[in-house]
Amino acid sequence: DTAVSQTPKYLVTQMGNDKSIKCEQNLGHDTMYWYKQDSKKFLKIMFSYNNKELIINETVPNRFSPKSPDKAHLNLHINSLELGDSAVYFCASSPVQGANEQFFGPGTRLTVL
Amino acid sequence: GQQLNQSPQSMFIQEGEDVSMNCTSSSIFNTWLWYKQDPGEGPVLLIALYKAGELTSNGRLTAQFGITRKDSFLNISASIPSDVGIYFCAGPISSGSARQLTFGSGTQLTVLP
Repeated sequence: DTAVSQTPKYLVTQMGNDKSIKCEQNLGHDTMYWYKQDSKKFLKIMFSYNNKELIINETVPNRFSPKSPDKAHLNLHINSLELGDSAVYFCASSPVQGANEQFFGPGTRLTVL
Repeated sequence: GQQLNQSPQSMFIQEGEDVSMNCTSSSIFNTWLWYKQDPGEGPVLLIALYKAGELTSNGRLTAQFGITRKDSFLNISASIPSDVGIYFCAGPISSGSARQLTFGSGTQLTVLP
């Protein structure tokens, strides 16, 4: 059983398209996160949700819109994709907000052409 | 924002060798974390440190919380091929009323047979 799963694993799309990445955790955790890992492997938080409520929203273009239908799911929708959006996006979860141990999904490699 | 600087950026070592890497910050941290990212996967927590001067081991890995609280060190003894990956230090920071992790720039480790 995968603890934190993401789909798709790979996403290749044209500039200007809209795409979504889905994330699910079966750990019963209250908090979920989206991170972006750039080509230099730098890992930066984008959003955090606690019990379906947005609590952290870093400086991310508003083309990125997270949605949490329930506390086990956190999806990321991206409008009008740009070349600079190419990166690996990781979903993560933790038992409570701000916990030291976060459980990461396998990542979604997004390539914008 | 608070930045964690890791060195070296990358390392190539022979199997069986010991490895040392470090992480420094201009700000004080009360907790230091070390994560490992295997190729094609998300990061996984290896070791958490909570007290200045603390030395904690996890198998062949040993991490230390620096006395100044502005640095931390990770050592791997007798490296094996599965030690390959990116090692990240991380620490908690405040984001408004929420708490999040900030990650270092990573040390890419390659173990040669």
